[in-house]
Amino acid sequence: RKEVEQDPGPFNVPEGATVAFNCTYSNSASQSFFWYRQDCRKEPKLLMSVYSSGNEDGRFTAQLNRASQYISLLIRDSKLSDSATYLCAVNKPPGTASKLTFGTGTRLQVTL
Amino acid sequence: NAGVTQTPKFQVLKTGQSMTLQCAQDMNHNSMYWYRQDPGMGLRLIYYSASEGTTDKGEVPNGYNVSRLNKREFSLRLESAAPSQTSVYFCASGQGASGTSTDTQYFGPGTRLTVL
Repeated sequence: RKEVEQDPGPFNVPEGATVAFNCTYSNSASQSFFWYRQDCRKEPKLLMSVYSSGNEDGRFTAQLNRASQYISLLIRDSKLSDSATYLCAVNKPPGTASKLTFGTGTRLQVTL
Repeated sequence: NAGVTQTPKFQVLKTGQSMTLQCAQDMNHNSMYWYRQDPGMGLRLIYYSASEGTTDKGEVPNGYNVSRLNKREFSLRLESAAPSQTSVYFCASGQGASGTSTDTQYFGPGTRLTVL
């Protein structure tokens, strides 16, 4: 089993739709979780950190389910500009160095 | 603040040539990282530096060396480039305190390397 797994998509949704992605992780000792957005041929940019209580930033909501070991990202009222690849990242178990393991990403295409 | 900067943006090498990718950050971060990204493989960690003066291997270190020149700069060297090293290389930096929100990493714009 991969350390971090994502459905590669693509998810094709019309403008205004709600779409959700999941990301599963294998190491129950992981403590930090993130969603990054990556546009074509650009660097990953932090979208949001995922806290145990869940967090919301405008149209974006991230949640953590420790029991089932997955994080989710919900995008409401999708915009054309949301089209991108969404990467989840999970930290390695606590140690002397901070490292993240990234999923391969889920591609979202928002259409008119 | 410029954040994380990388040079060059693009490079074409012939098999066997060497080159150094440069990375610098102005966020006073302790940790710096080098990743490669290939289609279908996601981001894979090559080397990282948890703090100035230390470097460690990541998931795919073979064929690469690194230098943490000072707190700001972390370079990646390919001593004898191979076609399998054709990839997009990203440098990242972060505060580096494991298990907290300071695990957050911030990425540079990347270097697109082609080895013929």
